[in-house]
Amino acid sequence: GIQVEQSPPDLILQEGANSTLRCNFSDSVNNLQWFHQNPWGQLINLFYIPSGTKQNGRLSATTVATERYSLLYISSSQTTDSGVYFCAGVGVKAAGNKLTFGGGTRVLVKP
Amino acid sequence: DAGVIQSPRHEVTEMGQEVTLRCKPISGHNSLFWYRQTMMRGLELLIYFNNNVPIDDSGMPEDRFSAKMPNASFSTLKIQPSEPRDSAVYFCASSLSRGIDIQYFGAGTRLSVL
Repeated sequence: GIQVEQSPPDLILQEGANSTLRCNFSDSVNNLQWFHQNPWGQLINLFYIPSGTKQNGRLSATTVATERYSLLYISSSQTTDSGVYFCAGVGVKAAGNKLTFGGGTRVLVKP
Repeated sequence: DAGVIQSPRHEVTEMGQEVTLRCKPISGHNSLFWYRQTMMRGLELLIYFNNNVPIDDSGMPEDRFSAKMPNASFSTLKIQPSEPRDSAVYFCASSLSRGIDIQYFGAGTRLSVL
């Protein structure tokens, strides 16, 4: 199966700061999702983005499929952005829709 | 829509006991997934179903784990007998496997085996 690496593993931000999270894949993917796991443990869908760029409020994501990476941008961070951000993908050679998750980036936004 | 519903939210049991986790997928979704999250191994897929049929159970740790999907609106994950190393958060997710295939996750069941 594919390997998914996320960086950085930890990120501490001052409220209002911008940041970029990265996700690298070992092989091409045809399904790529970003999730936010909030402090209560819930996994919230942020983006479905196998290619291209999308924006949702202060969050945006870009996937460069040919180079097998995706970026998640957080602008004007708020304390509610704290939590763990996961990317996950389905390899093009995988049978079915088996998402493989990265190890996550733990984000702490300080007031 | 109510989203993916899992029960119970928390389960504390003693080693050797049987544990059953339940999941109701989003209405109309035809794929269902069981994941486990631990500190050591992160989020890993245990098994997934398509149209109520198990497609891939290669992630199921051992014979103590079993999963069923008797109909399109209900699935169970059973551990018998449970062991302390089974302590984890178990997530259920569902998707509509046509075209854009987004998986939506339930709130999870936090299992503690003493």
